[in-house]
Amino acid sequence: DAGITQSPRHKVTETGTPVTLRCHQTENHRYMYWYRQDPGHGLRLIHYSYGVKDTDKGEVSDGYSVSRSKTEDFLLTLESATSSQTSVYFCAIRAGLGGRDTQYFGPGTRLTVL
Amino acid sequence: GNSVTQMEGPVTLSEEAFLTINCTYTATGYPSLFWYVQYPGEGLQLLLKATKADDKGSNKGFEATYRKETTSFHLEKGSVQVSDSAVYFCALSAQGGSEKLVFGKGTKLTVNP
Repeated sequence: DAGITQSPRHKVTETGTPVTLRCHQTENHRYMYWYRQDPGHGLRLIHYSYGVKDTDKGEVSDGYSVSRSKTEDFLLTLESATSSQTSVYFCAIRAGLGGRDTQYFGPGTRLTVL
Repeated sequence: GNSVTQMEGPVTLSEEAFLTINCTYTATGYPSLFWYVQYPGEGLQLLLKATKADDKGSNKGFEATYRKETTSFHLEKGSVQVSDSAVYFCALSAQGGSEKLVFGKGTKLTVNP
């Protein structure tokens, strides 16, 4: 358990509304990531952060923005949600548990955009 | 670019059968390789990993060997149990650490009693 929580765990929203998902970690890890999981695609990286206020784009960043004002929190925002953003969203941290860097995942947020 | 290809599922086995899930990769340099498992309704858990050629990762009876000559990292288990039913993901990190992971599409395994 890498001390990662995500909120909310489930959300239903309507097209065009803004949505913010939160990832919270308790162990001061520098790197944090947001992925989305869709059938037939595995997991795809949306954005990641390598420190407070330091973020970069991943493979599928269009339509998403992120912010990291504190080490422990990494927020993912959908400015205007679309049905194509219906997905399960996972947050991850990079940690050196077990002697080498590895990513550890949160429990996920299931987002439905109607 | 970097990519991971794993065998398509679903895979259905009887309890105590031998499991192989194939994974091959394309990457520059010397990537680290991972297997993650996702049980129904849960997030991904690291199952095992290998960081250099010929390394063998192992955990919970599962094994995978990093084969650079065949660019493969096949997952094996000698005797599966019903509790192994899950989706398995192969992944690589091209930087050698875990700055960015590239995932395969996942293979769903169902084990019947």
